[in-house]
Amino acid sequence: EAGVTQFPSHSVIEKGQTVTLRCDPISGHDNLYWYRRVMGKEIKFLLHFVKESKQDESGMPNNRFLAERTGGTYSTLKVQPAELEDSGVYFCATAIRGAGANVLTFGAGSRLTVL
Amino acid sequence: GQNIDQPTEMTATEGAIVQINCTYQTSGFNGLFWYQQHAGEAPTFLSYNVLDGLEEKGRFSSFLSRSKGYSYLLLKELQMKDSASYLCAVRESGGYQKVTFGTGTKLQVIP
Repeated sequence: EAGVTQFPSHSVIEKGQTVTLRCDPISGHDNLYWYRRVMGKEIKFLLHFVKESKQDESGMPNNRFLAERTGGTYSTLKVQPAELEDSGVYFCATAIRGAGANVLTFGAGSRLTVL
Repeated sequence: GQNIDQPTEMTATEGAIVQINCTYQTSGFNGLFWYQQHAGEAPTFLSYNVLDGLEEKGRFSSFLSRSKGYSYLLLKELQMKDSASYLCAVRESGGYQKVTFGTGTKLQVIP
């Protein structure tokens, strides 16, 4: 089966511009998470969808970040306007729903560089 | 909230055994994961512990003590390809079951 797909793999933009990152989950994975890793720091939780519903967005840094998952399939994360501190690698991870290990499967990440 | 601590870096010799420790503090616990991440790649799942004790999977083993808020990942017969970051992650109990990651331990395997 296809894994978690993210694109773009790398985006370089200038401060003040807008960027939209996309994540295509594994088919049937209702849980979708966005994480961010800034250089030298931990992978930090941003938010969690179950299907199209936002379950927890406590990790979203501020209102410049907007995540959507219309129809409960792919998700987008938009940063508008981008700031220098938004640079990092944005990971998407998905998981099946239900009891058990509920292992997260990660995408390869989208590296964002804001100049 | 969660607080997860692991060493930043470790170095070990090819063929040897290395233990990577992780301590955590959480308001509600529902499992601990270990992930491996090679530079520039996605984290990949290694192990999951929810009950106390040792889980063995080939060259890798993971141990959990819930009362101590402690886990370790044991890598045996180290190979050069094991050079990577090892991420400890804790899942909260409750409705959201958020998974929180530590900063990761960068392991360098030397000849």
